[in-house]
Amino acid sequence: EAGVTQFPSHSVIEKGQTVTLRCDPISGHDNLYWYRRVMGKEIKFLLHFVKESKQDESGMPNNRFLAERTGGTYSTLKVQPAELEDSGVYFCASSHAGQFEAFFGQGTRLTVV
Amino acid sequence: AQSVTQLGSHVSVSEGALVLLRCNYSSSVPPYLFWYVQYPNQGLQLLLKYTTGATLVKGINGFEAEFKKSETSFHLTKPSAHMSDAAEYFCAVSDDSGNTGKLIFGQGTTLQVKP
Repeated sequence: EAGVTQFPSHSVIEKGQTVTLRCDPISGHDNLYWYRRVMGKEIKFLLHFVKESKQDESGMPNNRFLAERTGGTYSTLKVQPAELEDSGVYFCASSHAGQFEAFFGQGTRLTVV
Repeated sequence: AQSVTQLGSHVSVSEGALVLLRCNYSSSVPPYLFWYVQYPNQGLQLLLKYTTGATLVKGINGFEAEFKKSETSFHLTKPSAHMSDAAEYFCAVSDDSGNTGKLIFGQGTTLQVKP
């Protein structure tokens, strides 16, 4: 069984540009989560999808961040326009409905210069 | 609000020595508690979890953790460190607001194992 896959593994962009991160969850997992770790800080929750619906987006920093999960399969997280403080590692995780054990991807390291 | 505190951002032990990584949490309801590990250039991997039942939980790679409600702690231990245990370890608690599976993480502890 394939794990949670994230693309790209690394991205370096200039301030003001747009970046789109992708997450492919484990097949059959209804729950999909995005987290972010800014350097030196703890991993923080961004949002939670149940299938294609946003269950909780209380952790999204501001309206420059847009997450989608069309069809309830893969998810994208777009940052537009990117700012320097958006740099960090973005993790995606997925889990079965009703399960608390979440499986994490390897993360996307985003650097905004 | 819930929170997780990991004492010590860096812990160094000798190979064969006891590993003890400390985690304290705050939660208004009985928590679900987790330890994750991140090896270099890899994603987060679940080491072990506590949901209900036995308070001593055994995980992968010889690690275990004990839920102590009176101390609001969930410390991670391993009797004998191996070089391959060098990694970053994260303690997490499930958010109590609605059984969503959302996790609150500690700051992480980097474990160094010296030969």
